[in-house]
Amino acid sequence: DAGVTQSPTHLIKTRGQQVTLRCSPKSGHDTVSWYQQALGQGPQFIFQYYEEEERQRGNFPDRFSGHQFPNYSSELNVNALLLGDSALYLCASSPREMDRNYEQYFGPGTRLTVT
Amino acid sequence: GQSLEQPSEVTAVEGAIVQINCTYQTSGFYGLSWYQQHDGGAPTFLSYNALDGLEETGRFSSFLSRSDSYGYLLLQELQMKDSASYFCAVRPSFNKFYFGSGTKLNVKP
Repeated sequence: DAGVTQSPTHLIKTRGQQVTLRCSPKSGHDTVSWYQQALGQGPQFIFQYYEEEERQRGNFPDRFSGHQFPNYSSELNVNALLLGDSALYLCASSPREMDRNYEQYFGPGTRLTVT
Repeated sequence: GQSLEQPSEVTAVEGAIVQINCTYQTSGFYGLSWYQQHDGGAPTFLSYNALDGLEETGRFSSFLSRSDSYGYLLLQELQMKDSASYFCAVRPSFNKFYFGSGTKLNVKP
């Protein structure tokens, strides 16, 4: 049973560029959430997708956008990159059934460095 | 808004019991989760409390008091592999989660 997978593992971008990160949820999961984790800090909630719609959003600007596909996989897009966007980006999937949306399984993350 | 407070670092001896506290302020409340994260690894789900009381899962237990906006994670029979960061996360709405800054647990032989 494959867990949550993310690609790429590492990424280096220049200020002002755009980036797309990808996530495949754990088998049987239909909900995907994205987080940003700075070094030494806890994950910060960006947004959650379910049924191809953004269901909830954290305190992130519109430069952060996402998409969920019919197979439940998801993308995170960040435009006009800033140095402060350098972080580990985590994807988490969860099952919607039986109100188990709280049971989040995290992928290994994508380490984004903005220079 | 939301805020969570947990100790930044805790040290304990192998075989001992340690308690990691978490206090929170939130505009809405569905539940409190706990996650473990080893250095360089992804967070791993440990437990979730929606109602007051103690939930036990093996060596780990989690407690919640909604009236006190307080919860804790209890780790028993500490092992070296328990050295990691532990995060509490509050669920202010069905689809939203806020994580604390984490508690680094150091287990010494």
